[in-house]
Amino acid sequence: ETGVTQSPTHLIKTRGQQVTLRCSSQSGHNTVSWYQQALGQGPQFIFQYYREEENGRGNFPPRFSGLQFPNYSSELNVNALELDDSALYLCASSLDREDYEQYFGPGTRLTVT
Amino acid sequence: GNSVTQMEGPVTLSEEAFLTINCTYTATGYPSLFWYVQYPGEGLQLLLKATKADDKGSNKGFEATYRKETTSFHLEKGSVQVSDSAVYFCALSPYGGATNKLIFGTGTLLAVQP
Repeated sequence: ETGVTQSPTHLIKTRGQQVTLRCSSQSGHNTVSWYQQALGQGPQFIFQYYREEENGRGNFPPRFSGLQFPNYSSELNVNALELDDSALYLCASSLDREDYEQYFGPGTRLTVT
Repeated sequence: GNSVTQMEGPVTLSEEAFLTINCTYTATGYPSLFWYVQYPGEGLQLLLKATKADDKGSNKGFEATYRKETTSFHLEKGSVQVSDSAVYFCALSPYGGATNKLIFGTGTLLAVQP
């Protein structure tokens, strides 16, 4: 059974640019959640996708958007990057949107300069 | 709103010492409660969980009991090892929501010295 994978591992972008992060969910999981973890902080919920539809969103601006594909993999897109967007971005998958057990990927470290 | 407060770190202990990391929460209804662990350079791993009041979650020698009367879910281990050095996050998943989103505390760094 393959776990949750994320790509790329690290990324450096310039303020104002756009970035796309990718996540492959664990086999059989139809729900993917994205979290932002700033240095020294706990992860903050960005949004969740369930069966290709957005299923809940945290307190993040619209320039954070996402997508889920028919194979349940997912993308996180961030437009107009700001310095404060520098963080570890974590993806988590679960069997279903009501299943309390989430499996996290290793994360993508984004640095905005 | 929903929130989690956990004790500030770092917590520095000698090997075989007793560990307590305090966690309290604010939530409506009956949230599910979790402890996650993050080893250096890695993502989060679920350590243990409790889904209703008075449940005790346990794993790898760690324990936590869901106390609704004190809105707490303190993490304990009787004898820590150097390999337990990591950041520990307390989290909740709100009751009855359309998502299983997690709300995390700020994390507590545990450093165990030989």
